Amino acid sequence: QVQLQESGPGLVKPSETVSLTCTVSGYSFSSGYHWVWVRQPPGKGLEWIGNIHHTGNTYSNPSLKSRVTISVDTSKNQFSLKLISVTAADTAVYYCTKGYYHSVWGQGTLVTVSS
Amino acid sequence: EIVLTQSPGTLSLSPGERATLSCRASQSVGGNSLAWYQQKPGQAPRLLIYGASNRATGIPDRFGGSGSGTDFTLTISRLEPEDFVVYFCQQYDESPYTFGQGTNLEIK
Repeated sequence: QVQLQESGPGLVKPSETVSLTCTVSGYSFSSGYHWVWVRQPPGKGLEWIGNIHHTGNTYSNPSLKSRVTISVDTSKNQFSLKLISVTAADTAVYYCTKGYYHSVWGQGTLVTVSS
Repeated sequence: EIVLTQSPGTLSLSPGERATLSCRASQSVGGNSLAWYQQKPGQAPRLLIYGASNRATGIPDRFGGSGSGTDFTLTISRLEPEDFVVYFCQQYDESPYTFGQGTNLEIK
């Protein structure tokens, strides 16, 4: 079955860029689906960041759009999130998931923004 | 964007009772494109319901979803101890695919 695994730095300094990668196993990217990033600040709710289709078409939440880039590497079965100019408000657990409704999730990776 | 408002914020019930959680959208959600998730502490969300009323694979039949348009409901018919966690609704009709703020189901 499909499995997702996030990876990335745990700690980032304010104003820097955080880059996260989601590795997909058990499914071929070229077969379809949207691949999604969602985040959750500690003790708070879920925020949908954006998605990318295997063709490379992307959509990002307007609340973050100018700071977010989502890309895909079909040769590695991976998709990535880059968030620039981070602040403490970007501290969150970042999840990768798939589809319009999300039946499979990664375990999440905590990104802490602190100097 | 479509804003989802969940109520109540916290629901206090006892095991064996029936729980009714509400999710109201700021505009109509087309195609009943509404999902419900359960989240236990320290874990990723788990899909319970999609298409407003369809149970996801492996979800017990005590979980049920209903509603259309702007008003949706998640019902848990007989609460088990492991059900006392947080629940989120999400619309996937219109980008960005927004979530509600969550309902915390706690033991009374």
